[in-house]
Amino acid sequence: NAGVMQNPRHLVRRRGQEARLRCSPMKGHSHVYWYRQLPEEGLKFMVYLQKENIIDESGMPKERFSAEFPKEGPSILRIQQVVRGDSAAYFCASSLGPPTIPSYEQYFGPGTRLTVT
Amino acid sequence: AQTVTQSQPEMSVQEAETVTLSCTYDTSENNYYLFWYKQPPSRQMILVIRQEAYKQQNATENRFSVNFQKAAKSFSLKISDSQLGDTAMYFCAFPSYGGATNKLIFGTGTLLAVQP
Repeated sequence: NAGVMQNPRHLVRRRGQEARLRCSPMKGHSHVYWYRQLPEEGLKFMVYLQKENIIDESGMPKERFSAEFPKEGPSILRIQQVVRGDSAAYFCASSLGPPTIPSYEQYFGPGTRLTVT
Repeated sequence: AQTVTQSQPEMSVQEAETVTLSCTYDTSENNYYLFWYKQPPSRQMILVIRQEAYKQQNATENRFSVNFQKAAKSFSLKISDSQLGDTAMYFCAFPSYGGATNKLIFGTGTLLAVQP
């Protein structure tokens, strides 16, 4: 059973360009979380999605950032008009069950390191 | 608000020795889980161990064990017989309950260096 897949692993964008980060959850998992890790910091929650629904986006910046998890295909985190402050590692995690059952742990992907030049 | 605090930014230990990483948290919940994640230089997040708050017994996974003190809201990680491969950043994490999500709240991490 393959783990959580993220691609690309490294992404370089110039200021003003768009960044698209992809996450394929573990087989059978329909709950996806995105986290951001700024340099020298811990991971910070951004958004939680179930298939075709955004459940909690309280950690996502209001502008330029969006996320989706379509019925078919990977979850996408999209950053428009990137700025240097967006440079970070972006991690996706997936979970088997609903968050109402806290024993369903989150399995993390290897992350995408975004560098904005 | 639920918070997680790791007060040791860096630690060092000799190979084969034992080291303890500290973590404190704040919550008003009674039943919850706590996690320790390891992030080696590859940056992959690896779950090391988890503790269920309603269990009295401290969790153990091979060389890794926790000292969970619920009343003190303390959740430390003990690594016995340290190995070079244990060199990594270690994060304590706690699910933020309430609402429709169990997003994880992470501490700021402790960078552990195992010396040969």
